Amino acid sequence: GAGVSQSPSNKVTEKGKDVELRCDPISGHTALYWYRQRLGQGLEFLIYFQGNSAPDKSGLPSDRFSAERTGESVSTLTIQRTQQEDSAVYLCASSLGGGRAHEQFFGPGTRLTVL
Amino acid sequence: SQKIEQNSEALNIQEGKTATLTCNYTNYSPAYLQWYRQDPGRGPVFLLLIRENEKEKRKERLKVTFDTTLKQSLFHITASQPADSATYLCALVMDSSYKLIFGSGTRLLVRP
Repeated sequence: GAGVSQSPSNKVTEKGKDVELRCDPISGHTALYWYRQRLGQGLEFLIYFQGNSAPDKSGLPSDRFSAERTGESVSTLTIQRTQQEDSAVYLCASSLGGGRAHEQFFGPGTRLTVL
Repeated sequence: SQKIEQNSEALNIQEGKTATLTCNYTNYSPAYLQWYRQDPGRGPVFLLLIRENEKEKRKERLKVTFDTTLKQSLFHITASQPADSATYLCALVMDSSYKLIFGSGTRLLVRP
């Protein structure tokens, strides 16, 4: 069966440009998460969607970051006016529900490089 | 301050030996703790979950312990194989939340 997919796999952009990253979760998974992983570091929570509830945006590092989700399917993470410190791998994960005991299924990530 | 600590140095062991990885945390009271495996260029893959009222969990060659007094989890791989070489991440889940709070991971290298 299909897992979580993300596109593009790699993105190189110039400082100041906007980028849009896409995540397709596993069908039927109501919860969707975005994380950022800097080189050699753990995953940093960015945002969480659960069904039709208001998203938890508490992890977004600045107002340049935003995310949307269409129903219980695809999500896009947008970074406006990119900065060099935004360079990282952006990982998307989905799970059956938002419960604490649910394992998260991760996509392969999008590697973003800001020149 | 709140911290999750995993050994930043790689753990290098001989095939067949038991690998033991440590996850220590400070100023957290997690209800659950999860372990994930991450290979280069890929997203993490879930391995095991242990609840705060469980002391030990096993799955095939994997064993996880959770000591809420010591604020520590140990992750063991018995009869290690070169294919076990990867980075292993621990993640805490608080009782009041659904977010995973990740450690920075420990890289395991298993020599043939």
